[in-house]
Amino acid sequence: RKEVEQDPGPFNVPEGATVAFNCTYSNSASQSFFWYRQDCRKEPKLLMSVYSSGNEDGRFTAQLNRASQYISLLIRDSKLSDSATYLCVVNSGAGSYQLTFGKGTKLSVIP
Amino acid sequence: DAGVIQSPRHEVTEMGQEVTLRCKPISGHNSLFWYRQTMMRGLELLIYFNNNVPIDDSGMPEDRFSAKMPNASFSTLKIQPSEPRDSAVYFCASSLLAGGIDTQYFGPGTRLTVL
Repeated sequence: RKEVEQDPGPFNVPEGATVAFNCTYSNSASQSFFWYRQDCRKEPKLLMSVYSSGNEDGRFTAQLNRASQYISLLIRDSKLSDSATYLCVVNSGAGSYQLTFGKGTKLSVIP
Repeated sequence: DAGVIQSPRHEVTEMGQEVTLRCKPISGHNSLFWYRQTMMRGLELLIYFNNNVPIDDSGMPEDRFSAKMPNASFSTLKIQPSEPRDSAVYFCASSLLAGGIDTQYFGPGTRLTVL
């Protein structure tokens, strides 16, 4: 089983749509969770951290379910500029500074 | 403030040649990470340093790969001899680890092609 699994997509959605990405992780000792965004031929950049209680940043909402080892990202009112690959990231174990990246889910927002 | 700087941005070389990738982390960051990204395998951690000391190099593919961090502002990743399967984008990232996991800031990457 891969450590961090994501649906590769692509997700093709119209502007204004709501889209959700899911991710599962295998290491139950993981304590830190993130979503990174990677534009085509660019470096990954932190989008948001994911907290146990769930957290929101503008149009973006992240949720964590530790029991199911499942993370989600919801994007509301999609913009053309949201087109990118979204990487699910977890740390590699309790106290570990190493991050394990999923392969990413590609989103294309269509006019 | 400058972000993570990597050079070269693109490298094309022939099989068997030595390749050296360079990275300058963000000033004040105490940890540095080297990653490799391919379509097949995604983003993989090769090695990371904390306070210039290599902490975990278990991701380094084989003896052909080596990394150094002689001081807090410079690191190199060397491949000798290079092989076509080493073709990938190599990212360097830095972070300030102070009691917890902090954001990793990535450089623009070096796109390596080995012919």
